[in-house]
Amino acid sequence: GAVVSQHPSRVICKSGTSVKIECRSLDFQATTMFWYRQFPKQSLMLMATSNEGSKATYEQGVEKDKFLINHASLTLSTLTVTSAHPEDSSFYICSIQGYNEQFFGPGTRLTVL
Amino acid sequence: AQSVTQLGSHVSVSEGALVLLRCNYSSSVPPYLFWYVQYPNQGLQLLLKYTSAATLVKGINGFEAEFKKSETSFHLTKPSAHMSDAAEYFCAVSERTGRRALTFGSGTRLQVQP
Repeated sequence: GAVVSQHPSRVICKSGTSVKIECRSLDFQATTMFWYRQFPKQSLMLMATSNEGSKATYEQGVEKDKFLINHASLTLSTLTVTSAHPEDSSFYICSIQGYNEQFFGPGTRLTVL
Repeated sequence: AQSVTQLGSHVSVSEGALVLLRCNYSSSVPPYLFWYVQYPNQGLQLLLKYTSAATLVKGINGFEAEFKKSETSFHLTKPSAHMSDAAEYFCAVSERTGRRALTFGSGTRLQVQP
């Protein structure tokens, strides 16, 4: 399967700052990428669908101005959490769409103090 | 709309015992179905997937699942549990065409007792 990396794996920031998370497809040209959020001891919730070269599609209840997604190339999508607050602390996981399955990155643990 | 229900947020078995994790789905169109495993602070690893044809699907690490359309179920089984199987397991569903975003169940934490 395809290999997906995320950077950073962990980030701690102060409230009010912005944080960028990178999702890279290392060996597959990913037209479509997905961003999920997972709160402790909960399931994964889809935040947005990212398509290369076009605007992301956000799920209901996800603020697009707060969670900025840029899918500038077939191998890179970024998620920027703007003006982060403690309630944004979560595990963020990206995935790429393969032929009939998704391939997941290892996740990024965001802690906002 | 699609949804997934995983019965039992926690399942505990003895090492060597049968593992059965339950998953029922709801979908207006024939779905793709998946089981993923997640270890603490890690991403998801695909155990197996149902995309078409064979209804009994074999996956990695000795796991298998059977797609039963009449019961809208996709339960995960393993004949003999290992200590290393202790993890969180997620069942997921997606459409076969279009966006194909995954909808996850709430997860089942599997504990394996020595």
